[in-house]
Amino acid sequence: GAGVSQSPSNKVTEKGKDVELRCDPISGHTALYWYRQSLGQGLEFLIYFQGNSAPDKSGLPSDRFSAERTGGSVSTLTIQRTQQEDSAVYLCASSLGALRNQPQHFGDGTRLSIL
Amino acid sequence: DQQVKQNSPSLSVQEGRISILNCDYTNSMFDYFLWYKKYPAEGPTFLISISSIKDKNEDGRFTVFLNKSAKHLSLHIVPSQPGDSAVYFCAASANAGGTSYGKLTFGQGTILTVHP
Repeated sequence: GAGVSQSPSNKVTEKGKDVELRCDPISGHTALYWYRQSLGQGLEFLIYFQGNSAPDKSGLPSDRFSAERTGGSVSTLTIQRTQQEDSAVYLCASSLGALRNQPQHFGDGTRLSIL
Repeated sequence: DQQVKQNSPSLSVQEGRISILNCDYTNSMFDYFLWYKKYPAEGPTFLISISSIKDKNEDGRFTVFLNKSAKHLSLHIVPSQPGDSAVYFCAASANAGGTSYGKLTFGQGTILTVHP
């Protein structure tokens, strides 16, 4: 497909386990963003990539969260030692470039549930 | 600290009438605003945007109005259609220290229901 692809679509795991979430952006899109949406809340910015670099990691909630992007394409968001408050929908978006008038295209998200 | 607020959790409108969704912001550094639409189990879809140098932007049935002095924007949908039923998010971005990129701050969303 031509859109942003995220996997898995759903993930249930036990507290304390590590999880990896994957994002395949639209081909050719250089900018990539991770957001999360907790129940009843708006989307919360986590991290921004331009190419393989992350100029803005200011939204990562703690050092248990990390992300990388390789080949200017696929990105993974890793959460170590998961806690119940990590339960949320994690959304990835990509845009052609970093200009603000280049709309972000979102994937359908990964729904993460921590038991 | 909620910098973008959508104070109406839900809105119900009759088909063919106008839907008005409201959004307030507190950060005076915000200078670019967007509306996204979201269906259940899908990611948000971009609808329309406006720069702070304008006070109105129109695209088909969708018009966004910006009142900078009041730090308020609204999305008008005319005429409303049942397919418009979704969650609508207002979002804003700031030109941070001369480095302009698309980091967005979102409101909590408003659920719009358009009745046939």
